[in-house]
Amino acid sequence: GAGVSQSPRYKVAKRGQDVALRCDPISGHVSLFWYQQALGQGPEFLTYFQNEAQLDKSGLPSDRFFAERPEGSVSTLKIQRTQQEDSAVYLCASSLRMGQGRGGELFFGEGSRLTVL
Amino acid sequence: DAKTTQPPSMDCAEGRAANLPCNHSTISGNEYVYWYRQIHSQGPQYIIHGLKNNETNEMASLIITEDRKSSTLILPHATLRDTAVYYCVPRIAQKLVFGQGTRLTINP
Repeated sequence: GAGVSQSPRYKVAKRGQDVALRCDPISGHVSLFWYQQALGQGPEFLTYFQNEAQLDKSGLPSDRFFAERPEGSVSTLKIQRTQQEDSAVYLCASSLRMGQGRGGELFFGEGSRLTVL
Repeated sequence: DAKTTQPPSMDCAEGRAANLPCNHSTISGNEYVYWYRQIHSQGPQYIIHGLKNNETNEMASLIITEDRKSSTLILPHATLRDTAVYYCVPRIAQKLVFGQGTRLTINP
């Protein structure tokens, strides 16, 4: 596809349920990032990958959050035993390469909106 | 860590230039400044980024002061579709660090 694709777009979970959110990055993009955006706030960093290696997971709020990218392409963000405070939009972004110069721009998907009841 | 300060909201008339300021006085020498915008219910859209030189692309221009403590995003001819939240975002150790942004409203 032309852009970053995320699924599902909307997810409603009961408190205590496990959820999995999928991200398909732009083909050939090396880096993949996950962000969390609460209502009315800017996105907050969760974790990022270079190929299949998870290089930084300092933003994951608790050990209930887990991300993987086993083959260096598609990534899944898993949240175990969801709580109401996990309600947010989860954004995925990819970039062609690491680094901040040309080619390092992050391109975001539309996000997955999680509502925990 | 670099921190950014942006006005919470701005208005601009359609067809005029929109100038969005950002203060990033604590940014480090090798940290780029990125600008993104976000329209309701969509993911952030990349606009432009720079380190110390002014930059221009088909969407906007970015003016960075010589001391790198502030920058201004310029939308040269604003349209109604430019109404969005605009984020000035330092990139620190590969991570984009978003603040609250500026809600820009383009008025007809």
